Amino acid sequence: AQSVTQLDSHVSVSEGTPVLLRCNYSSSYSPSLFWYVQHPNKGLQLLLKYTSAATLVKGINGFEAEFKKSETSFHLTKPSAHMSDAAEYFCVVSGNTGNQFYFGTGTSLTVIP
Amino acid sequence: DAGVIQSPRHEVTEMGQEVTLRCKPISGHNSLFWYRQTMMRGLELLIYFNNNVPIDDSGMPEDRFSAKMPNASFSTLKIQPSEPRDSAVYFCASGRLGDNQPQHFGDGTRLSIL
Repeated sequence: AQSVTQLDSHVSVSEGTPVLLRCNYSSSYSPSLFWYVQHPNKGLQLLLKYTSAATLVKGINGFEAEFKKSETSFHLTKPSAHMSDAAEYFCVVSGNTGNQFYFGTGTSLTVIP
Repeated sequence: DAGVIQSPRHEVTEMGQEVTLRCKPISGHNSLFWYRQTMMRGLELLIYFNNNVPIDDSGMPEDRFSAKMPNASFSTLKIQPSEPRDSAVYFCASGRLGDNQPQHFGDGTRLSIL
């Protein structure tokens, strides 16, 4: 069975400091993993995806994530937070049919000026 | 490219009324998903279609909910009769089958049942 655990429900950082949003997954096969961002009153937007190519994945807006199979983790990072990064972030793992997706419960990122 | 288009963006209605939410997926996408998002329960998958055929509707809360996809460019989610606990944001997403292609989300319909 597939599942996703986002380890922090809320993360608060100061503007200009690094961001780390943690995600652990459980999967019985090699999964595909995704990070989405949701700004207020908007839909979910794809930030980046991992599909068994390079383990370090670069996404939009300066975000990147590293797939670590040994740790079953797919943490999202950004070197320097911007005010516009304040949003809800979802980690997602795909099912083995490639057409089912399992969402984490989300991490709310606050950026302090 | 146009993204996933949902209508209406906001709907306020009284309990007992029928509600119809609409979704136009991205052209060329052959899978479509309906989600519901609330503060209490987070994001829940209600139903998804592959090639216009419903594949998994186990997330549909009860018989008051129904979804259709009459063609590749249109889907509806209907609630009849509506209840206050149905108040939520409903999202439609579309994607390409297989190969773990990501889903693309619409901006959602904010539904309030009074």
